[in-house]
Parts: sequence; C-alpha cells; structure tokens
Amino acid sequence: DTGVSQDPRHKITKRGQNVTFRCDPISEHNRLYWYRQTLGQGPEFLTYFQNEAQLEKSRLLSDRFSAERPKGSFSTLEIQRTEQGDSAMYLCASSSVPYRRDLDYGYTFGSGTRLTVV
Amino acid sequence: GQQLNQSPQSMFIQEGEDVSMNCTSSSIFNTWLWYKQDPGEGPVLLIALYKAGELTSNGRLTAQFGITRKDSFLNISASIPSDVGIYFCAEIKAAGNKLTFGGGTRVLVKP
Repeated sequence: DTGVSQDPRHKITKRGQNVTFRCDPISEHNRLYWYRQTLGQGPEFLTYFQNEAQLEKSRLLSDRFSAERPKGSFSTLEIQRTEQGDSAMYLCASSSVPYRRDLDYGYTFGSGTRLTVV
Repeated sequence: GQQLNQSPQSMFIQEGEDVSMNCTSSSIFNTWLWYKQDPGEGPVLLIALYKAGELTSNGRLTAQFGITRKDSFLNISASIPSDVGIYFCAEIKAAGNKLTFGGGTRVLVKP
C-alpha cells in the first residue's frame, strides 16, 4: 500500500464547469476525510465517511459540493458550477477506527488536488 | 467557534539555529498535534501530545502540552535546510476524528 492517493494532482477549470476529484485511501482504513486548504491557511474539514456512510458535513460544504464513497473504498468529491472562490487545495485523509494513540491515529493525508478556477 | 492561533506566522532560519513556535487555543484541548507540510504535499504528523505538561521529542523536534491545556510549543534544534516548510498545530476531536488546524508557521531559509 502506497498511502493515500489523490487524482488529479492539479486541475484548472473555467468558472461554471463541474469538476470531480478522486481519493483512494489506505486499504485497511475505514474512515475517509476531505479537507480544503486555501493559500496561507490550515486545512479545514469538509466531510467524512465511515465505510460508505457519510457521517458529517461541514457548513463549508455548500449545495454545489457532493461527496460519495459508494463501496466504502475510494471516494469522489464533485464541485458543480465552480466559482473562483473554490480555488484551493483539496486534501483527502484516511484513518482507522477505533483510533489508537499508539498508532498516532493512523491519520494519513494524500498529496492533494490543487484546483484553480479561472 | 474554537480558534487556534499560531505564532509567528513566518520565520527565517539559518542552518544550525534553534527555532521555536507556539500555538494557543480559545478553549481547553485534550490533544495537541503538530504537523509539517512541504510544498505541494499533504501534512505529515510530527508529534502528538496527550496530557497537560507532557514533553515529547522526535529527533531534533520537541513539543510540550501547556499545563493550562490551552497552548503548546514546538522547538526545532540545530535547524537544517529540510526543516523549511509550514508547521501546523491541530486538535483532533475524539468523536469523528476531525482535525482543526491553526493557520500555520511558515519556516523559510535566510538568504
């Protein structure tokens, strides 16, 4: 297992277009998280899944955003009708449940997808 | 909502120097995490702190969980060029394992 994989690494899109990102977590991890990071800021939580169930969504996740994890493995994050304010790094992370302190939570981040909306 | 304030926002280091950064919270924390993020990559966990007063080292890195449970600091001793990056403090919520990050301290090399 090579860790958390995200695809694509970079995406440039025109305002109003739809985009979809993919995340492949570490295979034995049953939790998957999406975060958004804008320039000069720390990552902000968007949503998370336990297996295929989406258990929490942040207020940052507007109606134009939808995330799925259909079989409890990979996840997709779609943004519809993109706006310039959506430009950011979208980070995916995975962890095991129950978390264990001695494993430092097993919380592993991917390298992210950098979205630029022009 | 809860806020994490990191200082300084940025700093320049010269090879061999010791550097220090800190993080304060508006509320009491049960766990402090310190992450480093290199350009174009996701954050990587450096040190995790679990109780007030705890002092933990990881190589040249040392972090402490403040006794008030509202602050933490991270020290880097004998800095090297690869220490350049952004350092984040974070809290993890036991319910849901969500992370809340500070704004980061950007460490740069003196020209």
